[in-house]
Amino acid sequence: AQTVTQSQPEMSVQEAETVTLSCTYDTSESNYYLFWYKQPPSRQMILVIRQEAYKQQNATENRFSVNFQKAAKSFSLKISDSQLGDTAMYFCASAQGAAGNKLTFGGGTRVLVKP
Amino acid sequence: DTGVSQDPRHKITKRGQNVTFRCDPISEHNRLYWYRQTLGQGPEFLTYFQNEAQLEKSRLLSDRFSAERPKGSFSTLEIQRTEQGDSAMYLCASSFTDDRGLGGTIYFGEGSWLTVV
Repeated sequence: AQTVTQSQPEMSVQEAETVTLSCTYDTSESNYYLFWYKQPPSRQMILVIRQEAYKQQNATENRFSVNFQKAAKSFSLKISDSQLGDTAMYFCASAQGAAGNKLTFGGGTRVLVKP
Repeated sequence: DTGVSQDPRHKITKRGQNVTFRCDPISEHNRLYWYRQTLGQGPEFLTYFQNEAQLEKSRLLSDRFSAERPKGSFSTLEIQRTEQGDSAMYLCASSFTDDRGLGGTIYFGEGSWLTVV
């Protein structure tokens, strides 16, 4: 069974600054995928970034980057140059075996970007 | 690509009534998933289909819940004899997975809110 834990219920950040969201996971699989999804107040879940466990290089997508520490089972998300549109719930998720397999989500972190 | 669409977006029903939600996935996607999300929580997996075959059901999916994907395209999620604890948002998602089981990104719809009064 997989578990995903997000220990920060809420974080706030000033516009243009950097914020880092924490996520830890547990899985018995050797092949798995990790994701960060964003859910803005409009509620549609949007993929922010994904990481294949077999890749050592940390994934980056524009202002979003991850710090993947496989031994520690840690997968943090860094948002650089925060923008007002980044205000949302952020969910960490994992999928065992293949990227298209069912997702197990953490409880989420609410990010508020202040002007 | 019109995205994953769900209908209705909001439903208020009386306890004991049946409700049905519909999901239309992205057209070329062969996998379709249902999740449930309560306020302030992360989504929880309910079930998923590969084409028309229902491959996995969560223990969360009680006998009152049934999902179908009859032609491998749209899907319906029916809840019979609704209870107040069923109040949640029901999320549909889809992805494309090849014959080797290698899948692409899972895309979500906007969800269907259910309130049981």
